[in-house]
Amino acid sequence: DIQMTQSPVSLSASAGDTVTLRCRASQDIDKFLNWYQHKPGKAPKLLIYGATFLESGVPLRFTGSGSGTDFTLTITSLRTEDFATYFCQQSYNESLTFGQGTRLEIK
Amino acid sequence: QEQLVQSGTEMKKPGASVRISCQASGYNFTGHYLHWVRQAPGRGLEWMGWINPLTGDTDFAQKFQGWVTLSRDTSITTAYMELRSLKSDDTAIYYCARDKARWAKLGHFLGASDVWGPGTTVSVSS
Repeated sequence: DIQMTQSPVSLSASAGDTVTLRCRASQDIDKFLNWYQHKPGKAPKLLIYGATFLESGVPLRFTGSGSGTDFTLTITSLRTEDFATYFCQQSYNESLTFGQGTRLEIK
Repeated sequence: QEQLVQSGTEMKKPGASVRISCQASGYNFTGHYLHWVRQAPGRGLEWMGWINPLTGDTDFAQKFQGWVTLSRDTSITTAYMELRSLKSDDTAIYYCARDKARWAKLGHFLGASDVWGPGTTVSVSS
């Protein structure tokens, strides 16, 4: 299986900040990388697919980049509703895998 | 409105089986793969497997092969996941999630899930 490693594990930031979350794949996955936001008690929400494509309805302050093994999710002008856990997921092969998540907390 | 509705909370004893349903509405059920994902308490998301609702084809993460069954009933646009020989560490929230791409008749999926069920809590305890 392809292993996905996210960093940092947790991150404290303030509203209005810009943060960058990272995701590394254990092998080249081209651009088959998706990002989700997950809040307690709710279903995960797709933010970015194909490494860079913004899902419909997702604010423009979310940006995905990267290819190969290294990917980032950047959130600009953080809002209170952005504090959540973020997961990356590879879809390069038919056995999908998630990273362990980055918890974004309010400072 | 495109949505997935899952069955309710389950409480099971170790060794038992559980079957969770996931009913789709508002879109072509057989057009999109369905994925199953779980989250154990304090843990991250774990992809379990997929089903092509058009053909019934399935595949699983290696750790779930042999003790998870995915099925569907297209007449009622419902997918099912059955887990057997439950253990305490199967306690988790189980989600069904629609693959974003309408490629089921091509036998392919994108892997990104854009519509999720609300989750079904399964608790396994003696």
